[in-house]
Amino acid sequence: DAKTTQPPSMDCAEGRAANLPCNHSTISGNEYVYWYRQIHSQGPQYIIHGLKNNETNEMASLIITEDRKSSTLILPHATLRDTAVYYCIVTGANSKLTFGKGITLSVRP
Amino acid sequence: DAGVIQSPRHEVTEMGQEVTLRCKPISGHNSLFWYRQTMMRGLELLIYFNNNVPIDDSGMPEDRFSAKMPNASFSTLKIQPSEPRDSAVYFCASSADRVSYEQYFGPGTSLTVT
Repeated sequence: DAKTTQPPSMDCAEGRAANLPCNHSTISGNEYVYWYRQIHSQGPQYIIHGLKNNETNEMASLIITEDRKSSTLILPHATLRDTAVYYCIVTGANSKLTFGKGITLSVRP
Repeated sequence: DAGVIQSPRHEVTEMGQEVTLRCKPISGHNSLFWYRQTMMRGLELLIYFNNNVPIDDSGMPEDRFSAKMPNASFSTLKIQPSEPRDSAVYFCASSADRVSYEQYFGPGTSLTVT
């Protein structure tokens, strides 16, 4: 399975955009990039996924570079409730999600 | 939809006792996953089922762990006998397709083995 690299933590001000980076330089052509987040004491929550085109939904936007070696999850207007650990995952075999350490996003008032 | 339901939410037991964790997936979902989360090892996939059949149990740590899915709306994860190192949060998740990475997680069961 391709692996991902994320910074351990970042913070942003409430109301501002949060841009969470992820490197996946060994991604294969048919592997997707998925993002999940885990708010403290809760189960992980699916956010968004993409293959090579940029994607947007009600929660976030996902920007994937043309060479697919990296991506950025964008929360356009971060709120205090977005404070969580965010996991960038490249899909493995047979529905397996391999969660790394993720990036801890702290949204400050 | 109520989402994935897990019970109990918290369990404290003594070493050597049998522990049974329960999960009800989202109605209509045909894949079910059991994960374990610890500070040391993070979030790990233990086993997953598709249409009630175990597909991959390579993450099950040892023979003390077993999982069943007798029907589409219920699954159990059993630990017998339990050990202190089994203390963790156990999550159940479900998804709508056979191969799906869009999984919906339950609130988890926090297990403490003393």
